[in-house]
Amino acid sequence: ETGVTQTPRHLVMGMTNKKSLKCEQHLGHNAMYWYKQSAKKPLELMFVYSLEERVENNSVPSRFSPECPNSSHLFLHLHTLQPEDSALYLCASSQDRTDTQYFGPGTRLTVL
Amino acid sequence: AQSVSQHNHHVILSEAASLELGCNYSYGGTVNLFWYVQYPGQHLQLLLKYFSGDPLVKGIKGFEAEFIKSKFSFNLRKPSVQWSDTAEYFCAVNVPRTGGFKTIFGAGTRLFVKA
Repeated sequence: ETGVTQTPRHLVMGMTNKKSLKCEQHLGHNAMYWYKQSAKKPLELMFVYSLEERVENNSVPSRFSPECPNSSHLFLHLHTLQPEDSALYLCASSQDRTDTQYFGPGTRLTVL
Repeated sequence: AQSVSQHNHHVILSEAASLELGCNYSYGGTVNLFWYVQYPGQHLQLLLKYFSGDPLVKGIKGFEAEFIKSKFSFNLRKPSVQWSDTAEYFCAVNVPRTGGFKTIFGAGTRLFVKA
């Protein structure tokens, strides 16, 4: 399944670093999502983009900054993160906001 | 606020045992319902979904789920599990809200099937 790809797959960064996560979908979908998956916690929706417009921001700290330059690409820019931000970050896409979401493999982020 | 509750966080079964994973949601209107599965080392993928019609839906790998509107439930079942069913299972509900729709995920149930 290569419908949704994410890079990098693993990332280790210090608290003062700036890095970006990239997501690309090859499915022609109109909605894209960022989720945070931590151990023993439900999947946390972070951001939703529909037709390249941000339609949802779930009270995410400003050290996470999303960008959607076109309908196929989604970025998550990271700066001055905290150790508790260590998690698996998942990108997903769907045809519209009611339908099945297709997930990427995730980026395993470790903040030292 | 809308929520999705999965009753069991961990389930351990022997091969050939029957499986039922509970899922309840709190929303009184029309919903779309999903079960997703995450196999070890793999990405989340759709197992089955219900939008309308027959409340008993069949998915991949012999799984099925039944929507019971009066109970706000969408339980997942499989008559005979296999070792390869070891995975984490997520129930999700898509609900309408101001400005669009939102999909809410349950906390997940980790299933371990003993060979």
